[in-house]
Amino acid sequence: AQSVAQPEDQVNVAEGNPLTVKCTYSVSGNPYLFWYVQYPNRGLQFLLKYITGDNLVKGSYGFEAEFNKSQTSFHLKKPSALVSDSALYFCAVRGRPFYNQGGKLIFGQGTELSVKP
Amino acid sequence: GAVVSQHPSRVICKSGTSVKIECRSLDFQATTMFWYRQFPKQSLMLMATSNEGSKATYEQGVEKDKFLINHASLTLSTLTVTSAHPEDSSFYICSARDPGGGVETQYFGPGTRLLVL
Repeated sequence: AQSVAQPEDQVNVAEGNPLTVKCTYSVSGNPYLFWYVQYPNRGLQFLLKYITGDNLVKGSYGFEAEFNKSQTSFHLKKPSALVSDSALYFCAVRGRPFYNQGGKLIFGQGTELSVKP
Repeated sequence: GAVVSQHPSRVICKSGTSVKIECRSLDFQATTMFWYRQFPKQSLMLMATSNEGSKATYEQGVEKDKFLINHASLTLSTLTVTSAHPEDSSFYICSARDPGGGVETQYFGPGTRLLVL
């Protein structure tokens, strides 16, 4: 069965410091991996995705994520955090092949990022 | 990126009434849309996959007669919560897959907050 784990409910970072939000996955075959961000009372905004190719993926707002197949991880990173980055972050996975998946995304439980000035 | 809208953004209704939530893809055609439910501080729970021109595919444990889904056109899917009860109060989010937006990226609506009194 497919699953996604975000081991940290909350991550606290000082503004200007690097941040990491962790994600590990379990899926048969090669995965599609995604990161989304959610601000209070809002829907999810797409940040970045890994499909194939370079393990380091760059996305919106200066975020990047590194796909590590051996560790089955896809951690989200940013070199210098901003207060405005404070939000709820979700990692998601979609397995292959698609015909028996229906396009479904499996979400992690979310990590609340708090960036203090 | 692609834009998905939801209407209404917030609705309060009396117990026993039905509520319809609309999800529209504004600048692309979506043959597949998804409906999620999110409880406070929790992850998204996929309720059903909405397919244009055919019946929706419901996830295990989701009542088909309770949550009616209609995907009448390539840009509109509706979720009707029938005979709503206070336990149906939640944040409902839809997403749509943009076939022209790269591989299998889902774009999310801003969500609808439902409160059943």
